[in-house]
Amino acid sequence: DTAVSQTPKYLVTQMGNDKSIKCEQNLGHDTMYWYKQDSKKFLKIMFSYNNKELIINETVPNRFSPKSPDKAHLNLHINSLELGDSAVYFCASSQEWDRGQGKLFFGSGTQLSVL
Amino acid sequence: GQSLEQPSEVTAVEGAIVQINCTYQTSGFYGLSWYQQHDGGAPTFLSYNALDGLEETGRFSSFLSRSDSYGYLLLQELQMKDSASYFCAVRDSYNNNDMRFGAGTRLTVKP
Repeated sequence: DTAVSQTPKYLVTQMGNDKSIKCEQNLGHDTMYWYKQDSKKFLKIMFSYNNKELIINETVPNRFSPKSPDKAHLNLHINSLELGDSAVYFCASSQEWDRGQGKLFFGSGTQLSVL
Repeated sequence: GQSLEQPSEVTAVEGAIVQINCTYQTSGFYGLSWYQQHDGGAPTFLSYNALDGLEETGRFSSFLSRSDSYGYLLLQELQMKDSASYFCAVRDSYNNNDMRFGAGTRLTVKP
């Protein structure tokens, strides 16, 4: 009955590999996000996805691509992984009116380690 | 541009009161949110202020002054379990109204 669930919890991989992180929310929310949290705990938005409209943070490399098969899912695919991609990736969701209230629901995070 | 400033670390003892400040600069301001994150955990929503004044939720209160572009989170009767990172966040009206977070304040509660 987890509200926002993402898998895997941990992901260890080699440089140059391609990997995906899955995210699902059962809250009926219409907006989903991906955030990256670096080693200094800085949370930076990567993407938001609302009603099939994708908003991309311009600083995100195009090696990162979100895929949304439906409103409840927003997966993150990463090509040609680099050492600097090592971080914790959080999926989040909100209802549109909730977004106006500044309330996001976060998944438990995926710790990505690129070796 | 948009920026949020908050102290990097705060230390307090059990039972005490601590205030975590946040100043912000945004192109379009809607409100100030606060999130708590324990080590290894996910950020969880604590409070939201859109209007000036104090909002109280149990031991936690949040304050906003729009004219000063300033807010704070007040934690009372501190408990060990309150040791965590606390983030202020604003909606960024120039970027699809997405939530932008400050760098976080690490609160350590000591016995």
